[in-house]
Amino acid sequence: QKEVEQNSGPLSVPEGAIASLNCTYSDRGSQSFFWYRQYSGKSPELIMSIYSNGDKEDGRFTAQLNKASQYVSLLIRDSQPSDSATYLCAVSGGFKTIFGAGTRLFVKA
Amino acid sequence: EAGVAQSPRYKIIEKRQSVAFWCNPISGHATLYWYQQILGQGPKLLIQFQNNGVVDDSQLPKDRFSAERLKGVDSTLKIQPAKLEDSAVYLCASSPRLASGSDEQFFGPGTRLTVL
Repeated sequence: QKEVEQNSGPLSVPEGAIASLNCTYSDRGSQSFFWYRQYSGKSPELIMSIYSNGDKEDGRFTAQLNKASQYVSLLIRDSQPSDSATYLCAVSGGFKTIFGAGTRLFVKA
Repeated sequence: EAGVAQSPRYKIIEKRQSVAFWCNPISGHATLYWYQQILGQGPKLLIQFQNNGVVDDSQLPKDRFSAERLKGVDSTLKIQPAKLEDSAVYLCASSPRLASGSDEQFFGPGTRLTVL
C-alpha cells in the first residue's frame, strides 16, 4: 500500500518566522511531488511542484526533495497570517497521485 | 481562463437516495479526476479519466458509485443508493496533458454532500 505521511499539526508559528512542513512517502518509484494549500472550506490549490533532488524556490516558498530518504519538505519564509491553511503533500508515479492527510499551519499575528 | 466548474455546491439527501454531481474541466484538459475528501483527511481518488477512457477506478465503490465522461469533456459522478459514510466533499480536478501521473492538477470548488 503506497502511503504519504504528514504530521497533522497544528503547526503554530509567529508572523515573520519560517514554517517548515514535512512529508514522507513509501513508494521509491515516485517521480513527481506537489504541495497544495487548502483553506478551510475551499478546494486545494497548487503552490509548488518539484521533480528532482534539491531545492526549488518560488517567492517565499521553497520545496526540498530528497529521494534517497523519501522525504519532501516545504519551507515558508516570512510567514503571514494569510498562510494559515492546511498544506497537502501529493506524490505521483505510475499514473497514480496519492495525497497525504495534510498539516494544519497557524500563523500568529 | 475559466477554472474547473462543479455543481451543485451543496447537496443534502437521505440515505438510500441517489445523487449526481457534474464537472466541467478546464478547456482542453485531457485528464479528469474525481476525489472524495472526508473532513480531516486528504483527497482520495475515486476515478481518473484520460479523455473519455478510464485510467484508474480501483478505489471506486462500484456497487454504488458510477461515473462517466462523455465526449472527453464534462463528467458526472453518481451515487445510488447513498450511505451515511458517503458524507464528504466531492472534488473534481483536471490536468492539461495525458495521464502521466506527473501532472499538476487544478481543482474545482467541490460539492459538499450530507447524507442524513
